Amino acid sequence: LAKTTQPISMDSYEGQEVNITCSHNNIATNDYITWYQQFPSQGPRFIIQGYKTKVTNEVASLFIPADRKSSTLSLPRVSLSDTAVYYCLVGVTAGNTPLVFGKGTRLSVIA
Amino acid sequence: EPEVTQTPSHQVTQMGQEVILRCVPISNHLYFYWYRQILGQKVEFLVSFYNNEISEKSEIFDDQFSVERPDGSNFTLKIRSTKLEDSAMYFCAGSRDRAGANVLTFGAGSRLTVL
Repeated sequence: LAKTTQPISMDSYEGQEVNITCSHNNIATNDYITWYQQFPSQGPRFIIQGYKTKVTNEVASLFIPADRKSSTLSLPRVSLSDTAVYYCLVGVTAGNTPLVFGKGTRLSVIA
Repeated sequence: EPEVTQTPSHQVTQMGQEVILRCVPISNHLYFYWYRQILGQKVEFLVSFYNNEISEKSEIFDDQFSVERPDGSNFTLKIRSTKLEDSAMYFCAGSRDRAGANVLTFGAGSRLTVL
């Protein structure tokens, strides 16, 4: 099971782009990289998922270098409502091993 | 957008009492999970459930815990005799797939307070 490492916390001002990097040095060939967002007292919410290169949706972009040993979640022009904990998870290959959450990155957006 | 619905949103119980937390998964999901989050701590896996049986469980999921999906709709987590340390948010989640590109949809959670 690939272990992930992310910064514990980050601060940003409103309107700025925020990049949160996650390290996953022992990612396996069939693993996907998935990011979730969690607001206080709510369940985690899927943001974006990728395997390699770049993925973009209406919420964020995910950059994955060729070696896939890290990934960067990019949030464009954050607002106060983006204050949350962001989790990077590496999806396991076929089998019953469930997704395991780390401590995540607590993003605080300041006005 | 389909949602995972959990009830109750908050339950307060006395230590030693039985608690049942309920979840209505998204209709086309096949894999179901319970996670918990103690206040200020990370989201912890409890159990996964597929084809009406437990697929995987963590060390937390001891004999005091059980899950079932009796009517093909509701997915329940039962704690037989609650302890103070069971106080946490309990999240139900579901997915269509098991492997690799496994995107979980979580419910809003049930907050359990054990006194």
